[in-house]
Amino acid sequence: AQSVTQLGSHVSVSEGALVLLRCNYSSSVPPYLFWYVQYPNQGLQLLLKYTSAATLVKGINGFEAEFKKSETSFHLTKPSAHMSDAAEYFCAVYNQGGKLIFGQGTELSVKP
Amino acid sequence: EPEVTQTPSHQVTQMGQEVILRCVPISNHLYFYWYRQILGQKVEFLVSFYNNEISEKSEIFDDQFSVERPDGSNFTLKIRSTKLEDSAMYFCASSEGGQGNEKLFFGSGTQLSVL
Repeated sequence: AQSVTQLGSHVSVSEGALVLLRCNYSSSVPPYLFWYVQYPNQGLQLLLKYTSAATLVKGINGFEAEFKKSETSFHLTKPSAHMSDAAEYFCAVYNQGGKLIFGQGTELSVKP
Repeated sequence: EPEVTQTPSHQVTQMGQEVILRCVPISNHLYFYWYRQILGQKVEFLVSFYNNEISEKSEIFDDQFSVERPDGSNFTLKIRSTKLEDSAMYFCASSEGGQGNEKLFFGSGTQLSVL
């Protein structure tokens, strides 16, 4: 069965600092992996996805993620945090039937 | 960017009552989904729907739940007799296709509170 685990339910960084949100996956087949972001009082918005093409995936708002098969990881990074990046971030893996399996989420706080 | 819209944003109901959560998917999308998130827990898949049929459903989606696309634009989730544990944020989503690499577009959710 496929699953994802997000390490750290809460991450706090200073504005301008590196953002690193961790996600490890478990999958018996080559996975499709996603990062979604949820801003307060809004729905889930796709940041980026990995679908077996390039291992380094660039998304919106300056985020990127690298698929590392050897480490079963798909960590999300951004070189320089902005106050507007404060949100909850979810890693997800695709399962059959249109089902996404989500991690528990990581809340990102950005300090001025 | 096109949006999935959900109404109402908040719904309060008494235990045992029926509720209907409404969603308007993106107009050219063919696949529709419901997810939910109980406070402090993961976002969980409930059901996927295509061609007026349920494609896949989770263990959560028991006989108390049903989905319908009544008029070609709305996509509804009905809970027949709500329980306290049904309190959650319910997200509707849609996608153009049903493949694994599809982008799901999510609505902003309906917060259901069962008293």
